[in-house]
Amino acid sequence: SSELTQDPALSVALGQTLRITCQGDSLRNYYTYWYQQRPGQAPALVLFGNNNRPSGVPDRFSGSRSGDTTSLTITGAQAEDEADYYCGSRDSSGYFYVFGPGTTVTIL
Amino acid sequence: QITLKESGPTLVKPTQTLTLTCTISGFSLNTNGVGVGWIRQPPGKALEWLALIYWNDDQRYSPSLKTRLTITKDPSKNQVVLTMTYMDPVDTATYYCAYRTDNDAFEMWGQGTLVTVSS
Repeated sequence: SSELTQDPALSVALGQTLRITCQGDSLRNYYTYWYQQRPGQAPALVLFGNNNRPSGVPDRFSGSRSGDTTSLTITGAQAEDEADYYCGSRDSSGYFYVFGPGTTVTIL
Repeated sequence: QITLKESGPTLVKPTQTLTLTCTISGFSLNTNGVGVGWIRQPPGKALEWLALIYWNDDQRYSPSLKTRLTITKDPSKNQVVLTMTYMDPVDTATYYCAYRTDNDAFEMWGQGTLVTVSS
């Protein structure tokens, strides 16, 4: 079982805003990393650290945190954003890595 | 340009040992802060972190798989090797290696290699 929890599936209309959440005790102390995995592809980092985006990731992706819950927000969702999204972080000890169970995002 | 590529057998028998190699380019395994991790994903399921080796040879393993895993690196060959003993059909998965930077994120991933465990 994962130390991080995510909603299994979410949907959003094209152009609308979607928030994907990740909850876990360790998130109070460690950064959350967000990975996008399109069908048949390897995961790709979309957000890291204090709301930082790797080069090439659109600015419609942003992050926030409140207590033990972090969020990835897609503002103005596009068809190409349809994918599985995984949060990742450290476990409560800080010694290991953990991933959430993933959220499948559907763009309507 | 940073790239990683996994290689190894596509089919292993139950109880056998799996050896996977991650060949990297575009960075050095000796650079301060750098690490290479292994993550797997059973078909249709979530990502599972397995192991990580840091530039200083510090090794970390998933607590649930620690007794079965060994991760090593050979900077001269630009390779990181993962071995997993006592393979079982539940270990059938796509195995990824990934580049961990000093931001602590896996910033670049290999394409993955599907390993099937079956007799």
